[in-house]
Amino acid sequence: DQQVKQNSPSLSVQEGRISILNCDYTNSMFDYFLWYKKYPAEGPTFLISISSIKDKNEDGRFTVFLNKSAKHLSLHIVPSQPGDSAVYFCAARGIQGAQKLVFGQGTRLTINP
Amino acid sequence: DGGITQSPKYLFRKEGQNVTLSCEQNLNHDAMYWYRQDPGQGLRLIYYSQIVNDFQKGDIAEGYSVSREKKESFPLTVTSAQKNPTAFYLCASSTRQVAGANVLTFGAGSRLTVL
Repeated sequence: DQQVKQNSPSLSVQEGRISILNCDYTNSMFDYFLWYKKYPAEGPTFLISISSIKDKNEDGRFTVFLNKSAKHLSLHIVPSQPGDSAVYFCAARGIQGAQKLVFGQGTRLTINP
Repeated sequence: DGGITQSPKYLFRKEGQNVTLSCEQNLNHDAMYWYRQDPGQGLRLIYYSQIVNDFQKGDIAEGYSVSREKKESFPLTVTSAQKNPTAFYLCASSTRQVAGANVLTFGAGSRLTVL
């Protein structure tokens, strides 16, 4: 039962353009959502988070949008840079399992020069 | 520098052997976790521990065992009962917080290959 889904395994974007990564979830009890970035043979690193009581959170080039009615969130990267090429994981935290995160399958983002 | 150290980075095992993956953190975090990454499946939780001498099963605990004798250390043993152990294993830690996002800090991972 995949509670957090990233339906696009890969995404290719031109340098300087906007990258939009999508994530869907099924559990309405999730109270926080996080995005992690992962380079090959390394552990994921935290990028940005959003509380379920908000619909937008911005940090520099990164913005996360949350649509609770659609159970959908997205990560926008503007402008995209070559160093943004990585695998991006969406993760969600359930209220009852406050110490656990549920991860999506990941989306491989490639920024083309 | 504070962080999480996983060892070994690469490990090969023959079928039927148990192996132990090491995870040490110097972040003074109370909670520690083990995740497994397989292609196309994201990260799946194996075990987690919120405090010393206590741990809980995650979503795919069968064939694995852990211990938490010290705050800094959370070793994972992959037993011969694990049917498909070849994977990339990630250890993580976090503070014990209820309010706010539960940000995990990850180690660099250990790749286990069963021959």
